[in-house]
Amino acid sequence: EDKVVQSPLSLVVHEGDTVTLNCSYEVTNFRSLLWYKQEKKAPTFLFMLTSSGIEKKSGRLSSILDKKELFSILNITATQTGDSAIYLCAPRNQGAQKLVFGQGTRLTINP
Amino acid sequence: EPEVTQTPSHQVTQMGQEVILRCVPISNHLYFYWYRQILGQKVEFLVSFYNNEISEKSEIFDDQFSVERPDGSNFTLKIRSTKLEDSAMYFCASSEVAGSWRDEQFFGPGTRLTVL
Repeated sequence: EDKVVQSPLSLVVHEGDTVTLNCSYEVTNFRSLLWYKQEKKAPTFLFMLTSSGIEKKSGRLSSILDKKELFSILNITATQTGDSAIYLCAPRNQGAQKLVFGQGTRLTINP
Repeated sequence: EPEVTQTPSHQVTQMGQEVILRCVPISNHLYFYWYRQILGQKVEFLVSFYNNEISEKSEIFDDQFSVERPDGSNFTLKIRSTKLEDSAMYFCASSEVAGSWRDEQFFGPGTRLTVL
């Protein structure tokens, strides 16, 4: 059975801090891993990672994948209160369309 | 920017009633999905749909559930006889393609279903 574990489950930091969110996974025939940000309702897409060691960046957010150790990290630098959300990772198998979501990391940024 | 839309935003129903949740995927997308999230739990996959057929479904998606693309724009999820445990947020998603580097899924805002 596919398994996704995110850590920490909850994180509270001050505005301006840098955070690292972790996602470890066990899926058969891995194809890609996606990161989403979930605020009040729908998950919004952040990154899709398919290759090890290649950092993807979008503004203050970046992410990298390690297919050998089966994990991914999401970094957020110079955090802002608007970064407060639940961050979800979701790996996907070859030949499957479904995303298998982790339980998420609830990030709270205090001013 | 194109987005997935869902209606209604909140549906309250009595146990045993049928509900239909509606979604309008992004217009050039070919793959459509339903997920659900019970309060406080993970987002769970229900079903994927391509070329007017179910392409993948989870164990949750039993005979009480069905999906349909009744016209060129809508994608619906029907629950035939709702149970209390069907109460959840239901998300529709769509992707341009599947199995390639362009297959990220974009989610709608969700329909909160409450079964009384």
